[in-house]
Amino acid sequence: DAGITQSPRHKVTETGTPVTLRCHQTENHRYMYWYRQDPGHGLRLIHYSYGVKDTDKGEVSDGYSVSRSKTEDFLLTLESATSSQTSVYFCAISESTSLYGYTFGSGTRLTVV
Amino acid sequence: AQKVTQAQTEISVVEKEDVTLDCVYETRDTTYYLFWYKQPPSGELVFLIRRNSFDEQNEISGRYSWNFQKSTSSFNFTITASQVVDSAVYFCALSEAAGANSKLTFGKGITLSVRP
Repeated sequence: DAGITQSPRHKVTETGTPVTLRCHQTENHRYMYWYRQDPGHGLRLIHYSYGVKDTDKGEVSDGYSVSRSKTEDFLLTLESATSSQTSVYFCAISESTSLYGYTFGSGTRLTVV
Repeated sequence: AQKVTQAQTEISVVEKEDVTLDCVYETRDTTYYLFWYKQPPSGELVFLIRRNSFDEQNEISGRYSWNFQKSTSSFNFTITASQVVDSAVYFCALSEAAGANSKLTFGKGITLSVRP
């Protein structure tokens, strides 16, 4: 009954290559977020979207871009992957701002070699 | 800017012990929400509780209880009679006022290990 799915679940890529992670939701929620999780840092916001084609940067947005052309899809692109971008990436959705908390996807484990 | 501090990084207890996970937050807003999430070894993030800044009543849900104190900017989480299944990373999070730019800020998480 997952209303949010991330793909791929695991990926290994080489330094310097572009990578796109996909977040797909079936809940018709307006708000979508991308976080990365790293040991000792918790979850940090990369980018978020508050509607189709409406996106904004989070605290760790350098080296990342996003696109949202449809309500259900939020894409995260690593323009030129670096080893420091090895991480677990979580997508989250929210019906009405963050005051109600988020529903998270299962995560994408990305390794940049 | 909003900030969440979880000073404890790792806690290890023996099953049936009580354990308290601390969370201290900073915000300039008078209206805000606090959350706890659980991340078990399988990796998913599970919502546990949401508390708004106007409701300082403690909450109990089974073995879980939460103590919200605005005077000390703390929102602590206690597990009574811990079980092995409670082993997980626990995140405290804060959201300030509503609006398109509101978002959750997370603490760094506390890794709880419950030993049989």
